[in-house]
Formats: sequence, structure tokens, C-alpha cells
Amino acid sequence: DAMVIQNPRYQVTQFGKPVTLSCSQTLNHNVMYWYQQKSSQAPKLLFHYYDKDFNNEADTPDNFQSRRPNTSFCFLDIRSPGLGDAAMYLCATSNPTESTDTQYFGPGTRLTVL
Amino acid sequence: RKEVEQDPGPFNVPEGATVAFNCTYSNSASQSFFWYRQDCRKEPKLLMSVYSSGNEDGRFTAQLNRASQYISLLIRDSKLSDSATYLCVVNSPRGYNKLIFGAGTRLAVHP
Repeated sequence: DAMVIQNPRYQVTQFGKPVTLSCSQTLNHNVMYWYQQKSSQAPKLLFHYYDKDFNNEADTPDNFQSRRPNTSFCFLDIRSPGLGDAAMYLCATSNPTESTDTQYFGPGTRLTVL
Repeated sequence: RKEVEQDPGPFNVPEGATVAFNCTYSNSASQSFFWYRQDCRKEPKLLMSVYSSGNEDGRFTAQLNRASQYISLLIRDSKLSDSATYLCVVNSPRGYNKLIFGAGTRLAVHP
């Protein structure tokens, strides 16, 4: 089945230790997104790629970086995780050629910072 | 003011009840509207799109009032499996293919 896959599902890191989260998709969608979601809050968009074009949200900290080496894969790098970065990180994709703005989410990676 | 506002709940209802959720959005230029469902510690999943004429999918009915910038979701004959958080979502006119999520309304259906 076509889908959005995130690895790992759970990630524990130490304060200040760099961590990379990965996302892959078999939907062949042009757009890939990274969201941060904290408990009882809305998913917050960090950045997105339209093909290779990177679009950073104005309030995304510099501590968060992203890479998209090809259509299928997208990575979220957190250079120096702080305690406040503990959250669920959601990857999503969309296909602008469809008639809607529907986004399809992966299962998320839950990040714990010790 | 938040761009998408929802009553956080929780709504605690018995099985078989009818429950309605409301949502308001701030940007009148938004053109696409959705309800997503999110189970505890899982990803959001599209429940239904919301069209100007209103639309229904089984026990779920969504309505849009553009003049009031108001979206609603009605769930009839609630099931235990409907327990989840329901996210109101609108597209962002400021960015291509970007969505703005509400914080969600939590529903708990009990026997």
C-alpha cells in the first residue's frame, strides 16, 4: 500500500545531542512537510519542500534543519535538542495536482529529550 | 487571535448520542476546509472535506458558513470508536498547499 513511513517511531536523545528523524513516502507526492506537535496542541508546521524548493516557516528555530535528497525521502535534523523540543514530529505529503489540499500523515516519531 | 479556534472539550457523551463541534477561522481568503481525526498518540487522518453546500458521510455531517467563517461537524449515533480528537483544518492563503490546524476538540463516548 502507498504510504508515508517514519523512522524511528520513538527516539530518545540527550540534551544537546544531534538527532535525525526520517520520513519516506511511496505516494510520489511533490510536497513533503514536517510538523511538530506537543500534547493537546495543534500540529505546528516547521517547514516544507515543494520538490527541491525548501520553505521555512518564519518562527521555526535555526536548531531545526531539513534535507530532501530525492522525491521519496525527507529528513529532520535537530542540531542541539533542548527539553522543549520533546514532542511528536509528524511528516506529511500532498500532491498539488489533486483538486484538494489534502495532506497524508505518517505515524509520527515521538522524541524524548533527557 | 488564533487562526483556527475550536472548543477543546472534552465532550463526554453516551453511545447513541448526537454531538456537534464548532470551529471558526480568521482568514476569509481560505478556500479549503477539512475535519481530521486524531486518536491518542497517533497521526491525524482525514475524516472529511467540507464543501460550501454541506456534505454528509454516513453518520458524519459537515457544514461551512463562509459569511460567518464557521465550520461544524455533526456526529449522529455516536459509537465508542468515535472517541478521538477532531481537528478543524483550513488552508492557508499565505502559502501554497499549506494547512492551518486547530488544536482539536476531544470527544469521549462512553457506554
